[in-house]
Amino acid sequence: SQTIHQWPATLVQPVGSPLSLECTVEGTSNPNLYWYRQAAGRGLQLLFYSVGIGQISSEVPQNLSASRPQDRQFILSSKKLLLSDSGFYLCAWSVGAGGHTDTQYFGPGTRLTVL
Amino acid sequence: AQTVTQSQPEMSVQEAETVTLSCTYDTSESDYYLFWYKQPPSRQMILVIRQEAYKQQNATENRFSVNFQKAAKSFSLKISDSQLGDAAMYFCAYYGGATNKLIFGTGTLLAVQP
Repeated sequence: SQTIHQWPATLVQPVGSPLSLECTVEGTSNPNLYWYRQAAGRGLQLLFYSVGIGQISSEVPQNLSASRPQDRQFILSSKKLLLSDSGFYLCAWSVGAGGHTDTQYFGPGTRLTVL
Repeated sequence: AQTVTQSQPEMSVQEAETVTLSCTYDTSESDYYLFWYKQPPSRQMILVIRQEAYKQQNATENRFSVNFQKAAKSFSLKISDSQLGDAAMYFCAYYGGATNKLIFGTGTLLAVQP
């Protein structure tokens, strides 16, 4: 069966510091991968998605970036965090090309607080 | 553009009773998918149920069922025999081929009273 991991689970960072959040998927090959952000009490905002290694699409221009160095690894980064970057970050995966890509499965999330 | 609307910010139900959460959507596509996700206090998004628009039969998963009205663009979730563990935020979501992305509603916070 497939599992998705995110770490760290919780992170407190000062303004201006760098960020690296990691997401890995097990039990599937060539998945589509997604990064979402959820502000407190709000809906989900899609930040990035990837259909393959090195292929990243950005949905919202901001100081965040994403990378996919390996087939089942998706990383969210920032060089300098802003207060507005605080939130709950969720990684998700769906079956890659050739399968049902409509259904997304989410990881446990990372709670980021920028002070 | 596709939109998803959840008009009930909060709902409450007594344990063992039935509750229905509403969702409407707007699209010009004929083939798409609809979902309900549950987000408990742990905040992990859990898939509850999936509906394929070309299927007239309403999807069911144990105590969870949907009422899918394609012409009305309505997709409500019915939770039967509510349990304390059903307390969570519930999100309705749409997926269509035009964007290949999940579009979420704003959520309904469900409280279950003992």
